[in-house]
Amino acid sequence: ETGVTQTPRHLVMGMTNKKSLKCEQHLGHNAMYWYKQSAKKPLELMFVYSLEERVENNSVPSRFSPECPNSSHLFLHLHTLQPEDSALYLCASSQTMSVTAHEQYFGPGTRLTVT
Amino acid sequence: ILNVEQSPQSLHVQEGDSTNFTCSFPSSNFYALHWYRWETAKSPEALFVMTLNGDEKKKGRISATLNTKEGYSYLYIKGSQPEDSATYLCAFPDDADSSYKLIFGSGTRLLVRP
Repeated sequence: ETGVTQTPRHLVMGMTNKKSLKCEQHLGHNAMYWYKQSAKKPLELMFVYSLEERVENNSVPSRFSPECPNSSHLFLHLHTLQPEDSALYLCASSQTMSVTAHEQYFGPGTRLTVT
Repeated sequence: ILNVEQSPQSLHVQEGDSTNFTCSFPSSNFYALHWYRWETAKSPEALFVMTLNGDEKKKGRISATLNTKEGYSYLYIKGSQPEDSATYLCAFPDDADSSYKLIFGSGTRLLVRP
């Protein structure tokens, strides 16, 4: 498998559930990202990891908890979400964090619906 | 937090037409500008990373120019094809924070009619 993969592609969860989104990159990149796209809004950065260390937590509520166990895998753990958290969650990776040097490679996203 | 503006919001063209759209960004403290293409139900795909004023980059029928002094970039598609139908996003680093955090515009949605 090549590129950036995400599972599941679709997820419906209740507000009391706990679930996790998984991202895997097969590109040998050192930086990984979680983005959120809500309806009619631009892509919004949530978290950045570089060499498995969290670099950015963009004022994201604690009900979203990222985990980066190694440079190829990134998780987003979800618990007690709200209906307004329903969105498309995209994972991305890049060779390094430097946006002047490297483009980002995106996965296909997980469409999350919170009921 | 800076604003990245894209225009138009959407565009419908006929197959074979050439088209262009704009990304506007603050011209101070320029680091880089990214262009991405996002087809429905697929992953966003990088087109260009532009860093120098006057840069012009080309990929097939798609090209982009950059003017950092006046704060805009144009994306051109020559002889549009139905497979060019997608949302085109530009992104700019948030220089108030760091040079790794990309701020995305809302995109230009292009529909090419056969």
